[in-house]
Amino acid sequence: QVQLVESGGGVVQPGMSLRLSCAASGFTFTIYSMQWVRQAPGKGLEWVALISDDGSNKLYADSVKGRITISRDTSKNTLYLQMNSLRAEDTAMYYCARDNTVTHALDLWGQGTMVIVSS
Amino acid sequence: QSVLTQPPSVSGAPGQRVTISCTGSSSNIGAGYDVHWYQQFPGTAPKLLIYANRYRPSGVPDRFSASKSGISASLVITGLQAEDEAEYYCQSHDSSLSGPKVFGTGTKVSVL
Repeated sequence: QVQLVESGGGVVQPGMSLRLSCAASGFTFTIYSMQWVRQAPGKGLEWVALISDDGSNKLYADSVKGRITISRDTSKNTLYLQMNSLRAEDTAMYYCARDNTVTHALDLWGQGTMVIVSS
Repeated sequence: QSVLTQPPSVSGAPGQRVTISCTGSSSNIGAGYDVHWYQQFPGTAPKLLIYANRYRPSGVPDRFSASKSGISASLVITGLQAEDEAEYYCQSHDSSLSGPKVFGTGTKVSVL
């Protein structure tokens, strides 16, 4: 079954760290760039980060640059998002998504994992 | 800080036609980058609805269509149905420093 399954969300205090995971299955993970997209409660979608198929190229939104690192482990078919120095404004549902190799549309999404930053 | 602007809401009666606009700038849609559209129901993940300006993935009803011109794009729902009530987002690439991928502000479609 072609799917993405996120995990690792939770409630953390400001300044703390969290690592999100996204397990891919049912497709050849290594040929796709992958992205993280987040959505604050009641708000719209916000692009967060992108990693190329081979992991050599990483791009970040200005809002998270320097605090968040995207990575991937091809041996585990898993995408990660390491989030440090978390702020209240990072509170959101975090989705991983597959970047279509031809169109670069996000053609497969996970169900999301919720991150709440609160003291 | 979306750089693609959509109307907050549109509505229509069943069977009617509704149009959602997505207005960008010369650094994204106007630069020739493709526009994609996503549909999101409450409490669920977004789903790809239209890719590369006008193409529907397998399984998407043909009452959904889209186009792009200049710095704008549009999504049209022809023959609106109750199950189309959802949030819709456009997305494109942006060459500015704010990040390569940008989403629209989102539009809530309500079926009267």
